[in-house]
Amino acid sequence: QKEVEQNSGPLSVPEGAIASLNCTYSDRVSQSFFWYRQYSGKSPELIMSIYSNGDKEDGRFTAQLNKASQYVSLLIRDSQPSDSATYLCAVYSGTSYGKLTFGQGTILTVHP
Amino acid sequence: GAVVSQHPSWVICKSGTSVKIECRSLDFQATTMFWYRQFPKQSLMLMATSNEGSKATYEQGVEKDKFLINHASLTLSTLTVTSAHPEDSSFYICSARGAGHEAFFGQGTRLTVV
Repeated sequence: QKEVEQNSGPLSVPEGAIASLNCTYSDRVSQSFFWYRQYSGKSPELIMSIYSNGDKEDGRFTAQLNKASQYVSLLIRDSQPSDSATYLCAVYSGTSYGKLTFGQGTILTVHP
Repeated sequence: GAVVSQHPSWVICKSGTSVKIECRSLDFQATTMFWYRQFPKQSLMLMATSNEGSKATYEQGVEKDKFLINHASLTLSTLTVTSAHPEDSSFYICSARGAGHEAFFGQGTRLTVV
């Protein structure tokens, strides 16, 4: 079983719709959770961090964390074509030299 | 926000030569730095983790004598690809973490070995 799994893509949504990206993790002691966006040919960019159960909103982005279910999600409201990218879920557990464990990524395409 | 600068952005080198890539945290002290490699349309692959002043911890399968990592200060880490070969051509990306748990990425270095 992979340590961090993301919903298989690619995901395609129309402009203006809500894009929902999901991630599950296996290590129960995981402490911190992150969403990165990576445009083609570029390096990842941190867009959201979440540490406690519940929702965290930042502009059009909402991260949701449920530690009991070992589940974290990212909602993108009013999706724009510029949101088209690969979204990476990352988890920090404080072990393994403090490295982040990444999911395989979900490719999102927002079509006009 | 936290800024990580990676240099060079791209490099072309001849087979058998060595290439050094620098990663600097510009506005925070990076206690931990990570080096990744990414092939086209594939996921990030962690190569090694380094903490300032100590030896890097390499992931399984990564040759530490080929990929030399130095983290001499809290703001600078370097990756040297020694005796590069065409199969080393890839996108190399560093990331840095300070006091928190977030890690911030550099712009990446596209290495082409000819």
